[in-house]
Amino acid sequence: NAGVTQTPKFRVLKTGQSMTLLCAQDMNHEYMYWYRQDPGMGLRLIHYSVGEGTTAKGEVPDGYNVSRLKKQNFLLGLESAAPSQTSVYFCASSYGTSGSGDPQETQYFGPGTRLLVL
Amino acid sequence: GDSVTQMEGPVTLSEEAFLTINCTYTATGYPSLFWYVQYPGEGLQLLLKATKADDKGSNKGFEATYRKETTSFHLEKGSVQVSDSAVYFCALSVPDQAGTALIFGKGTTLSVSS
Repeated sequence: NAGVTQTPKFRVLKTGQSMTLLCAQDMNHEYMYWYRQDPGMGLRLIHYSVGEGTTAKGEVPDGYNVSRLKKQNFLLGLESAAPSQTSVYFCASSYGTSGSGDPQETQYFGPGTRLLVL
Repeated sequence: GDSVTQMEGPVTLSEEAFLTINCTYTATGYPSLFWYVQYPGEGLQLLLKATKADDKGSNKGFEATYRKETTSFHLEKGSVQVSDSAVYFCALSVPDQAGTALIFGKGTTLSVSS
């Protein structure tokens, strides 16, 4: 199993350009998440999905859109990139609800996408 | 709201030293608690977890005990190795809130020298 994969690994954009980050998981997980990691800030949730065809906003959703057309894929889009979106983006997935005490609540993370917006 | 506070780093230790990274939390209800580790250039990996008070999570020589009375989940290791150099994140999740994901602390960088 590949686990959680992310493409691309690194990208440089100019302000105003658009791009899509792809996350794929082969563990048949229901829940998927996009986080961003910034120095001194930890990880912050951008958007998440509790199943195919569903999406919801997290802590810092502005400037991003997401889609979950297939259970195994979760796409993060930037329609008009800004320098403030320079960050490392992590995708994660889990089988069940967070905090349920169920061992399947563990989140599995991808290797990250480093994005630089000039 | 729910939050996690962990000690700021960097923490610099010599090999075989004792490690403690403090983590305290604020949460409604009874959260599950986690420690994740991020090695250089990689994504986060679950290190250990605990789902109820007085539970002890352990893995790879690391331990943490869920202390409800002090709202803490401190990470400890008796003898660190150079290979333990990484960033450590404390996190919580709140039960019965579907898809609310994890709430992370800001991370503590550990550097171990030989």
